[in-house]
Amino acid sequence: AQSVAQPEDQVNVAEGNPLTVKCTYSVSGNPYLFWYVQYPNRGLQFLLKYITGDNLVKGSYGFEAEFNKSQTSFHLKKPSALVSDSALYFCAVRESGGFKTIFGAGTRLFVKA
Amino acid sequence: DAGVTQSPTHLIKTRGQQVTLRCSPKSGHDTVSWYQQALGQGPQFIFQYYEEEERQRGNFPDRFSGHQFPNYSSELNVNALLLGDSALYLCASSLGGELFFGEGSRLTVL
Repeated sequence: AQSVAQPEDQVNVAEGNPLTVKCTYSVSGNPYLFWYVQYPNRGLQFLLKYITGDNLVKGSYGFEAEFNKSQTSFHLKKPSALVSDSALYFCAVRESGGFKTIFGAGTRLFVKA
Repeated sequence: DAGVTQSPTHLIKTRGQQVTLRCSPKSGHDTVSWYQQALGQGPQFIFQYYEEEERQRGNFPDRFSGHQFPNYSSELNVNALLLGDSALYLCASSLGGELFFGEGSRLTVL
């Protein structure tokens, strides 16, 4: 069965500093990996995905993520955080050839001015 | 191009009642997935519809049912509501890749 773990409930970072939000996954076969962001009382917005190819994936709003097959990780990164990046971030996985996307519990990011 | 739209945005029901939530997918999308997001948790997969059939189902009881229409829009029905069904219900459409979410329907069961 597929699963996603986000080990940090909350990440705090100062504006201008780099940020990392961690994610590890478990899936049979090759994974499709995703990051989504959710603002208060809103639906989820797609940030980026890894399907195949380069391990470093670039997405919206300056975010990127690195796929590490040996560590089964897909950490979200940004070189310089903005206050407006403060939100709830979800990592998600789907088995290649599968239909359902499974989400982690989420990590709340606080960026302090 | 309209994105995913859901209705109603908020609703309040009492235990034992039934509710129907509606979703119109993003233009051109043929697959609709429904998720339940309880407060402080990640979205939990309820089921997915494709070509008017339930293609896959998560770990939810039969009180949760759905439908997809020929125009790809979808409904989620929940019968015999319980207090624990209070949550944000999210609809997402796709063409097989990433999911596009609506703003959700917030259900409160009293």
